[in-house]
Amino acid sequence: DIQMTQSPSSLSASVGDRVTITCRASQSISSYLNWYQQKPGKAPKLLIYAASSLQSGVPSRFSGSGSGTDFTLTISSLQPEDFATYYCQQSYSTPKGTFGPGTKVDIK
Amino acid sequence: EVQLVESGGGLVQPGGSLRLSCSASGFTFSSYAMHWVRQAPGKGLEYVSAISSNGGSTYYADSVKGRFTISRDNSKNTLYLQMSSLRAEDTAVYYCVKDWGGDSVFDYWGQGTLVTVSS
Repeated sequence: DIQMTQSPSSLSASVGDRVTITCRASQSISSYLNWYQQKPGKAPKLLIYAASSLQSGVPSRFSGSGSGTDFTLTISSLQPEDFATYYCQQSYSTPKGTFGPGTKVDIK
Repeated sequence: EVQLVESGGGLVQPGGSLRLSCSASGFTFSSYAMHWVRQAPGKGLEYVSAISSNGGSTYYADSVKGRFTISRDNSKNTLYLQMSSLRAEDTAVYYCVKDWGGDSVFDYWGQGTLVTVSS
Protein backbone atom coordinates (compact mmCIF):
# COMPACT_ATOMS: atom_id res chain seq x y z
CA ASP A 1 0.00 0.00 0.00
CA ILE A 2 1.09 3.55 -0.73
CA GLN A 3 1.70 5.59 2.41
CA MET A 4 1.44 9.37 2.49
CA THR A 5 3.27 11.68 4.86
CA GLN A 6 2.99 15.45 5.33
CA SER A 7 5.20 18.05 6.91
CA PRO A 8 4.89 19.96 9.03
CA SER A 9 2.00 18.52 11.02
CA SER A 10 1.11 22.05 12.06
CA LEU A 11 2.32 25.56 11.53
CA SER A 12 1.56 29.05 12.75
CA ALA A 13 1.54 31.88 10.27
CA SER A 14 0.35 35.44 9.86
CA VAL A 15 -1.97 36.95 7.31
CA GLY A 16 0.07 37.75 4.22
CA ASP A 17 2.68 35.06 4.83
CA ARG A 18 3.76 32.62 2.16
CA VAL A 19 3.02 29.10 3.37
CA THR A 20 4.41 25.83 2.01
CA ILE A 21 3.21 22.34 2.93
CA THR A 22 5.00 19.21 1.78
CA CYS A 23 3.55 15.80 0.99
CA ARG A 24 5.57 12.67 0.28
CA ALA A 25 4.43 9.33 -1.12
CA SER A 26 6.08 6.03 -0.21
CA GLN A 27 6.46 5.22 -3.92
CA SER A 28 6.14 7.11 -7.15
CA ILE A 29 2.59 8.23 -7.88
CA SER A 30 3.40 10.31 -10.98
CA SER A 31 1.14 13.37 -10.70
CA TYR A 32 -1.80 11.57 -9.07
CA LEU A 33 -1.84 13.85 -6.07
CA ASN A 34 -4.70 16.00 -4.79
CA TRP A 35 -5.01 18.59 -2.03
CA TYR A 36 -8.03 19.28 0.17
CA GLN A 37 -8.84 22.02 2.67
CA GLN A 38 -10.96 21.30 5.73
CA LYS A 39 -12.30 23.88 8.14
CA PRO A 40 -13.55 22.89 11.61
CA GLY A 41 -16.94 21.19 11.51
CA LYS A 42 -17.03 21.20 7.71
CA ALA A 43 -16.46 18.68 4.96
CA PRO A 44 -13.19 18.75 3.05
CA LYS A 45 -13.02 20.79 -0.14
CA LEU A 46 -10.97 19.93 -3.23
CA LEU A 47 -8.33 22.61 -3.93
CA ILE A 48 -5.81 21.08 -6.31
CA TYR A 49 -5.96 17.94 -8.45
CA ALA A 50 -3.34 16.19 -10.56
CA ALA A 51 -0.63 17.84 -8.45
CA SER A 52 -0.93 21.30 -9.98
CA SER A 53 -4.39 21.91 -11.45
CA LEU A 54 -6.53 24.41 -9.60
CA GLN A 55 -10.11 23.34 -8.95
CA SER A 56 -12.72 25.72 -10.32
CA GLY A 57 -13.49 28.54 -7.91
CA VAL A 58 -10.33 28.14 -5.83
CA PRO A 59 -8.33 31.38 -5.44
CA SER A 60 -5.15 31.64 -7.47
CA ARG A 61 -3.05 32.18 -4.32
CA PHE A 62 -3.18 28.39 -3.97
CA SER A 63 -0.78 26.41 -6.12
CA GLY A 64 0.57 22.89 -6.24
CA SER A 65 3.71 21.35 -7.66
CA GLY A 66 5.68 18.14 -7.75
CA SER A 67 5.67 14.69 -9.27
CA GLY A 68 6.88 11.24 -8.41
CA THR A 69 7.10 11.14 -4.63
CA ASP A 70 7.46 14.76 -3.52
CA PHE A 71 4.75 17.40 -3.71
CA THR A 72 4.13 20.90 -2.41
CA LEU A 73 1.08 23.03 -1.70
CA THR A 74 1.83 26.75 -1.56
CA ILE A 75 -0.37 29.58 -0.39
CA SER A 76 1.26 32.71 -1.75
CA SER A 77 -0.33 35.20 0.65
CA LEU A 78 -2.25 33.69 3.54
CA GLN A 79 -5.73 35.07 4.07
CA PRO A 80 -7.90 34.84 7.21
CA GLU A 81 -10.17 32.28 5.53
CA ASP A 82 -7.21 30.01 4.79
CA PHE A 83 -6.71 28.95 8.39
CA ALA A 84 -7.67 25.29 8.16
CA THR A 85 -6.27 21.77 7.93
CA TYR A 86 -4.85 20.66 4.59
CA TYR A 87 -4.71 17.05 3.42
CA CYS A 88 -2.92 15.51 0.48
CA GLN A 89 -4.38 12.40 -1.16
CA GLN A 90 -2.96 9.99 -3.71
CA SER A 91 -5.21 8.82 -6.55
CA TYR A 92 -2.61 6.58 -8.20
CA SER A 93 -3.82 3.29 -6.72
CA THR A 94 -7.52 3.69 -7.35
CA PRO A 95 -10.15 3.24 -6.10
CA LYS A 96 -8.40 3.58 -2.77
CA GLY A 97 -7.44 7.18 -2.21
CA THR A 98 -5.06 7.27 0.71
CA PHE A 99 -4.84 10.54 2.59
CA GLY A 100 -1.91 12.14 4.32
CA PRO A 101 -2.21 12.86 8.05
CA GLY A 102 -2.94 16.54 7.53
CA THR A 103 -1.28 19.89 8.22
CA LYS A 104 -3.05 22.35 10.47
CA VAL A 105 -2.46 26.01 9.65
CA ASP A 106 -3.34 28.38 12.46
CA ILE A 107 -2.87 31.99 13.36
CA LYS A 108 0.43 33.15 14.80
CA GLU B 1 -25.99 22.28 -7.83
CA VAL B 2 -24.50 19.03 -6.62
CA GLN B 3 -25.85 17.95 -3.24
CA LEU B 4 -24.97 14.92 -1.15
CA VAL B 5 -27.01 14.44 2.01
CA GLU B 6 -26.09 11.67 4.43
CA SER B 7 -28.43 10.19 7.00
CA GLY B 8 -28.65 7.20 9.30
CA GLY B 9 -25.94 7.98 11.81
CA GLY B 10 -26.42 7.68 15.53
CA LEU B 11 -25.45 5.85 18.69
CA VAL B 12 -25.05 2.08 18.45
CA GLN B 13 -23.68 -0.50 20.84
CA PRO B 14 -20.50 -2.45 20.05
CA GLY B 15 -21.37 -5.41 17.85
CA GLY B 16 -24.41 -3.64 16.49
CA SER B 17 -25.39 -2.61 12.99
CA LEU B 18 -26.32 0.60 11.21
CA ARG B 19 -27.11 1.59 7.64
CA LEU B 20 -26.05 4.93 6.29
CA SER B 21 -27.71 6.51 3.28
CA CYS B 22 -26.59 9.30 0.98
CA SER B 23 -29.13 11.02 -1.22
CA ALA B 24 -27.57 12.60 -4.30
CA SER B 25 -28.89 15.35 -6.56
CA GLY B 26 -27.67 17.87 -9.10
CA PHE B 27 -25.75 15.40 -11.26
CA THR B 28 -26.30 12.14 -13.14
CA PHE B 29 -25.75 9.82 -10.18
CA SER B 30 -25.62 6.65 -12.28
CA SER B 31 -22.59 7.95 -14.20
CA TYR B 32 -20.21 8.34 -11.27
CA ALA B 33 -18.34 6.14 -8.86
CA MET B 34 -19.00 6.98 -5.24
CA HIS B 35 -17.06 6.61 -2.01
CA TRP B 36 -17.30 6.71 1.76
CA VAL B 37 -14.59 8.46 3.78
CA ARG B 38 -14.62 8.74 7.56
CA GLN B 39 -13.03 10.93 10.19
CA ALA B 40 -12.72 9.93 13.82
CA PRO B 41 -13.14 12.78 16.32
CA GLY B 42 -10.09 15.03 16.20
CA LYS B 43 -8.35 12.77 13.68
CA GLY B 44 -7.55 12.77 9.97
CA LEU B 45 -9.40 11.42 6.97
CA GLU B 46 -9.62 7.66 6.45
CA TYR B 47 -10.71 6.06 3.20
CA VAL B 48 -13.45 3.46 3.74
CA SER B 49 -15.09 2.13 0.60
CA ALA B 50 -15.84 2.65 -3.08
CA ILE B 51 -18.43 1.50 -5.60
CA SER B 52 -18.40 1.81 -9.36
CA SER B 53 -21.05 3.73 -11.26
CA ASN B 54 -23.13 0.64 -12.04
CA GLY B 55 -22.49 -1.02 -8.69
CA GLY B 56 -20.62 -3.90 -10.27
CA SER B 57 -17.32 -3.24 -8.50
CA THR B 58 -16.69 -2.48 -4.87
CA TYR B 59 -13.63 -1.85 -2.70
CA TYR B 60 -13.11 -1.83 1.05
CA ALA B 61 -10.34 -0.70 3.34
CA ASP B 62 -8.83 -3.55 5.33
CA SER B 63 -10.19 -1.99 8.52
CA VAL B 64 -13.81 -2.56 7.43
CA LYS B 65 -13.56 -5.52 5.03
CA GLY B 66 -16.03 -8.25 5.90
CA ARG B 67 -18.04 -5.95 8.18
CA PHE B 68 -19.21 -3.12 5.89
CA THR B 69 -21.10 -3.37 2.60
CA ILE B 70 -21.38 -0.53 0.11
CA SER B 71 -24.25 -0.47 -2.37
CA ARG B 72 -26.21 1.93 -4.50
CA ASP B 73 -29.66 2.29 -6.02
CA ASN B 74 -29.30 4.33 -9.18
CA SER B 75 -33.09 4.52 -9.60
CA LYS B 76 -33.26 6.34 -6.27
CA ASN B 77 -29.99 8.31 -6.61
CA THR B 78 -28.91 6.88 -3.28
CA LEU B 79 -25.69 5.43 -1.92
CA TYR B 80 -25.63 3.12 1.10
CA LEU B 81 -23.18 1.81 3.65
CA GLN B 82 -24.34 -1.16 5.69
CA MET B 83 -22.18 -1.44 8.78
CA SER B 84 -22.20 -4.48 11.05
CA SER B 85 -20.09 -5.85 13.91
CA LEU B 86 -19.38 -2.26 14.83
CA ARG B 87 -16.45 -1.44 17.07
CA ALA B 88 -15.53 1.59 19.16
CA GLU B 89 -12.88 2.45 16.58
CA ASP B 90 -15.59 2.84 13.93
CA THR B 91 -16.79 5.97 15.74
CA ALA B 92 -16.45 8.77 13.21
CA VAL B 93 -18.14 11.22 10.92
CA TYR B 94 -18.89 9.38 7.69
CA TYR B 95 -18.77 11.38 4.48
CA CYS B 96 -20.40 10.44 1.19
CA VAL B 97 -18.09 11.52 -1.63
CA LYS B 98 -18.55 11.86 -5.38
CA ASP B 99 -15.76 10.74 -7.67
CA TRP B 100 -14.87 13.23 -10.37
CA GLY B 101 -14.21 10.79 -13.15
CA GLY B 102 -13.51 7.32 -11.83
CA ASP B 103 -10.04 8.30 -10.74
CA SER B 104 -10.56 8.82 -7.01
CA VAL B 105 -10.47 12.60 -7.19
CA PHE B 106 -13.15 13.64 -4.72
CA ASP B 107 -14.85 16.74 -6.07
CA TYR B 108 -17.99 16.85 -3.89
CA TRP B 109 -18.52 15.84 -0.28
CA GLY B 110 -21.63 15.55 1.85
CA GLN B 111 -21.87 17.25 5.22
CA GLY B 112 -21.24 13.97 7.03
CA THR B 113 -23.16 11.88 9.52
CA LEU B 114 -21.81 10.94 12.95
CA VAL B 115 -21.68 7.31 14.00
CA THR B 116 -20.92 6.68 17.67
CA VAL B 117 -20.20 3.14 18.82
CA SER B 118 -20.45 2.94 22.58
CA SER B 119 -22.15 0.99 25.33
